[in-house]
Amino acid sequence: DAGVIQSPRHEVTEMGQEVTLRCKPISGHDYLFWYRQTMMRGLELLIYFNNNVPIDDSGMPEDRFSAKMPNASFSTLKIQPSEPRDSAVYFCASSLSPVISNYGYTFGSGTRLTVV
Amino acid sequence: SQELEQSPQSLIVQEGKNLTINCTSSKTLYGLYWYKQKYGEGLIFLMMLQKGGEEKSHEKITAKLDEKKQQSSLHITASQPSHAGIYLCGADINVGSQGNLIFGKGTKLSVKP
Repeated sequence: DAGVIQSPRHEVTEMGQEVTLRCKPISGHDYLFWYRQTMMRGLELLIYFNNNVPIDDSGMPEDRFSAKMPNASFSTLKIQPSEPRDSAVYFCASSLSPVISNYGYTFGSGTRLTVV
Repeated sequence: SQELEQSPQSLIVQEGKNLTINCTSSKTLYGLYWYKQKYGEGLIFLMMLQKGGEEKSHEKITAKLDEKKQQSSLHITASQPSHAGIYLCGADINVGSQGNLIFGKGTKLSVKP
């Protein structure tokens, strides 16, 4: 398996522009998570899905952030409009089951977003 | 507020030395995960602990869970340059875990040859 695939790896955009981050989870995994990592706040959970349904989006910072999972093999995280404080590394992770799995959550390589 | 505290924040050791990293929770732990991250890369799963007193090993890395203390420790024996990176602990803090995995801020490990 190719693991969790995220694109793009790097994104530089101007303030006010729309940004879309993409994630392909591991086939068969029924949980998908979006995290954001910054030096100040560390790794924060933004939202997660179970069987394509959003379960908890309380970590989404503002209405500017939205996430979708139209099918089991694809998810997007959109920021519109983007602001400099959104600059961070965004990770997608997937898992079979957070409770019983001894394999943890499998993380993608991340998207480094820079908003100028 | 930070619910998972890691210590130390950073660590520099001489190759061959042993070291320990700690992760303490302010809430009851229902599952504790250890990950390793290299700069610019994703997180690599090391191991997961679920029961108090549980201990797991992978190569030269051993992790233990002390449920009463709400704490886990990661011990590396005879450290090597390949062990360098950021070690993060993550924890399920909800009963039945609905996937709300929180993370500590990490411990940066440098190993001097």
